[in-house]
Amino acid sequence: QSVLTQPPSASGTPGQRVTISCSGGTSNIGRHAVNWYQQVPGTAPKFLMNNNNQRSSGVPDRFSDSSSGTSASLAINGLQSEDEAHYYCAAWDDRLNAVVFGGGTKVTVL
Amino acid sequence: QLQLEESGGGVVQPGGSLRLSCLTSGFTFHSYGMHWVRQAPGKGLEWVAFIWADESHMYYVDSVKGRFTISRDNSKKTLYLQLNNLRVEDTAVYYCVGDPPQSGYAFAIWGQGTMVNVSS
Repeated sequence: QSVLTQPPSASGTPGQRVTISCSGGTSNIGRHAVNWYQQVPGTAPKFLMNNNNQRSSGVPDRFSDSSSGTSASLAINGLQSEDEAHYYCAAWDDRLNAVVFGGGTKVTVL
Repeated sequence: QLQLEESGGGVVQPGGSLRLSCLTSGFTFHSYGMHWVRQAPGKGLEWVAFIWADESHMYYVDSVKGRFTISRDNSKKTLYLQLNNLRVEDTAVYYCVGDPPQSGYAFAIWGQGTMVNVSS
């Protein structure tokens, strides 16, 4: 059971908008930056962005993030086939003195 | 070019030990926090350990406390993870990860990972 909660899957057709939620608590998302990662099967994860306005170079503008209170979300506008991957949220947790990850969301392009 | 190259993985029996290394290049290693993150086969990402840039603080996930030790040699630009008393549930790909200064624990740089297989 992950400290941060994500839906296990999301899907959409090419061009659609997909949103991935990440729910946490006051000791993690409520106090610290939420970082988003993309992992294409068989490869290492890659940093996408966080809500401290940091964004990895080369990440398309169709990816955006937002947060409010103890929740955050990643949106993919104009879904493309190459966006098919697992997406993870993560944040530092003051109560655990640890980085905590969400369980991951598999995005499928139909 | 940013590079993290892990080594030291392999097959080990329960109760055994391994030492993972991560040789880095292309960035100011001595100013980065460094982490190990693992991924069991078919599972999600799990953070394992973190060491501050100046080596003054280390943190671990509860399941490895007392068994794993993270360390670094800034002169060699290398990160280490000593794994002792290994358990079957430690089987995973172990990634070395770089965390830039004041990034809010953004894992900006990842290695390709090294596989640890704990099996009798």
